[in-house]
Amino acid sequence: GNSVTQMEGPVTLSEEAFLTINCTYTATGYPSLFWYVQYPGEGLQLLLKATKADDKGSNKGFEATYRKETTSFHLEKGSVQVSDSAVYFCALSDLPGGSYIPTFGRGTSLIVHP
Amino acid sequence: DTGVSQDPRHKITKRGQNVTFRCDPISEHNRLYWYRQTLGQGPEFLTYFQNEAQLEKSRLLSDRFSAERPKGSFSTLEIQRTEQGDSAMYLCASSHFGSFQETQYFGPGTRLLVL
Repeated sequence: GNSVTQMEGPVTLSEEAFLTINCTYTATGYPSLFWYVQYPGEGLQLLLKATKADDKGSNKGFEATYRKETTSFHLEKGSVQVSDSAVYFCALSDLPGGSYIPTFGRGTSLIVHP
Repeated sequence: DTGVSQDPRHKITKRGQNVTFRCDPISEHNRLYWYRQTLGQGPEFLTYFQNEAQLEKSRLLSDRFSAERPKGSFSTLEIQRTEQGDSAMYLCASSHFGSFQETQYFGPGTRLLVL
């Protein structure tokens, strides 16, 4: 079956530090990959996505590249801000034209200090 | 469009009571999903609708849970005889099935606490 593994948190960084949150996946088909962000007390917001191998998703300074050879979709940001403090979820969906039921990772908490 | 909305945002109830949550999807979206999220976990799929038809239900969805989407627009999720283990965030999401890159958009969630 499908699964998503994220690095455990919390990840604690100082403002302007470089961020990497690792995500690897297992899927039977050719999934689409997503990163969602959840700010305290709120629902999930789509941060970025990639639908095929070697695609790079990017948004708000975050980016992630779909690596089929390593089954990875690591999230990166060159310079984090305090406002980036949130929980980040990696997710995949298989069968984009069929039964779209995404599989989420457990989430990685990011804490950014001034 | 203002996105997916959910009501109420918070609900505290006593064990054994029934609760009902509402979700209003993005207006042009034909698919609507319900998830449950517990602390420290990612969302877990409960059920989804395409228009008014409920197409799939997770084994997580016990007989005490029922969901409806009577007119293919808003949806309700009811939990009967609540238990403390039902305490969680209940998330709703919607999407447009038929677009090549189907993406789900989530509401803010309803946080349920069962005492």
